[in-house]
Amino acid sequence: GAVVSQHPSRVICKSGTSVKIECRSLDFQATTMFWYRQFPKQSLMLMATSNEGSKATYEQGVEKDKFLINHASLTLSTLTVTSAHPEDSSFYICSATGGATNEKLFFGSGTQLSVL
Amino acid sequence: GESVGLHLPTLSVQEGDNSIINCAYSNSASDYFIWYKQESGKGPQFIIDIRSNMDKRQGQRVTVLLNKTVKHLSLQIAATQPGDSAVYFCAEIPSGGYNKLIFGAGTRLAVHP
Repeated sequence: GAVVSQHPSRVICKSGTSVKIECRSLDFQATTMFWYRQFPKQSLMLMATSNEGSKATYEQGVEKDKFLINHASLTLSTLTVTSAHPEDSSFYICSATGGATNEKLFFGSGTQLSVL
Repeated sequence: GESVGLHLPTLSVQEGDNSIINCAYSNSASDYFIWYKQESGKGPQFIIDIRSNMDKRQGQRVTVLLNKTVKHLSLQIAATQPGDSAVYFCAEIPSGGYNKLIFGAGTRLAVHP
C-alpha cells in the first residue's frame, strides 16, 4: 500500500523556538495533504488542508501564522510550528491522498512535539 | 457543528471473543465512512471503509455495518486478539468534502488473555 513518511517522530524544543515537521509520500504523488493535531486521549482534529502549489486552507481557530504549511511538491508538505509554547505540545499527524488512491487517506506515523 | 461521536470510550473483551465498537454520526450528508485503528504513538491505520449506498462490508475478521436510518456505524472484530488492542476511530467524509475526514472521539479496545 501507499506509504507516508513523517519526520521527525519526536522532538523536544525550548519555548520560543520553531519546529519543522516533514510529511512525504513515498510511492505516490500526493495532490492533497492534511495536518492533524491530537492531544492525549483525544481524537484527531484537522488543522489544515494543503494542496500542492497553493496556499493551505486552515480550519477555524487554527492560526495560520503560527502553523506555517508549505506544500511545494507533490511528495512533500511541511508544517512549521513557529515560536512554540508549551501549549503547542501535541501529537501532530499528516495524511496524504492523490492519484490512483484518491479518497484513500494514508497517514504518517506522527510527530510528538514537546515544548519545554 | 456536525460531529461524529462514539457511545463507549473503553471496551474490554476476552481474547477470542467478538468485539463490537459503535459510532454515531450526525451529518446525514456524509457518504463515505472509514474505521481506523491507532496504536499508541502511531498514526491511524486504515481498517475498512464503507460507502453510504451499502449497509454492510466485510474484510478479514472485520465487518462494518452502516445504518443510515439512525446514523449509526459499527465495527465488528471477530475472534479478537491481543494485537487488536488499540484505539479505534470512526471517520466520515461529508459529500463534497474532498477527503476531509471528520473523526469521532475514539474507543479504546482492551483485549485480555
